[in-house]
Amino acid sequence: NAGVTQTPKFQVLKTGQSMTLQCAQDMNHNSMYWYRQDPGMGLRLIYYSASEGTTDKGEVPNGYNVSRLNKREFSLRLESAAPSQTSVYFCASREGPLSSEQYFGPGTRLTVT
Amino acid sequence: GDSVTQMEGPVTLSEEAFLTINCTYTATGYPSLFWYVQYPGEGLQLLLKATKADDKGSNKGFEATYRKETTSFHLEKGSVQVSDSAVYFCALSEYNFNKFYFGSGTKLNVKP
Repeated sequence: NAGVTQTPKFQVLKTGQSMTLQCAQDMNHNSMYWYRQDPGMGLRLIYYSASEGTTDKGEVPNGYNVSRLNKREFSLRLESAAPSQTSVYFCASREGPLSSEQYFGPGTRLTVT
Repeated sequence: GDSVTQMEGPVTLSEEAFLTINCTYTATGYPSLFWYVQYPGEGLQLLLKATKADDKGSNKGFEATYRKETTSFHLEKGSVQVSDSAVYFCALSEYNFNKFYFGSGTKLNVKP
């Protein structure tokens, strides 16, 4: 049982490049989330998907897009990377409406130069 | 809007010392409150939670009580171990758990 997996683990981009961060969960969870973690700021919600087929903005959605490809997978895309998007990105999942616990992936460390 | 404020770290303690990490919150409704722990190089893990006022969450010797009158959810442990060294995050979520708000995290270092 792998839980929540994220790829890649590390990535370096140049300003203006694009990339997609992948996330998958094998727990049959309904809800999935993307966060970014910056020093001194904790985790901030970028986008979430309450259920398959739906996505909504979080606190800091600008510069990002997401796709809930199916129930298992939730990807985060940076169309034109900026140095301000240098961060550690975490994906998380949650079982459903009656469950409050989120399960987190190991994170992707992204550096934009 | 909703927000969480935690005490700044790092907090450095000797093994077997008493731990308190302060957390206060602002919320429009009646949130559930959480403590998550992040070990080096890993994602966050739920440590404990409380869903209503006066509830006490507990796990692995850690405790926190949901205090509505002081809008607080302070984390405590009576005797810390070196293995408790990690970053601790306080968080809240409103009724449908679609959005979570995290504090900035408090790094705990426990020395033998």
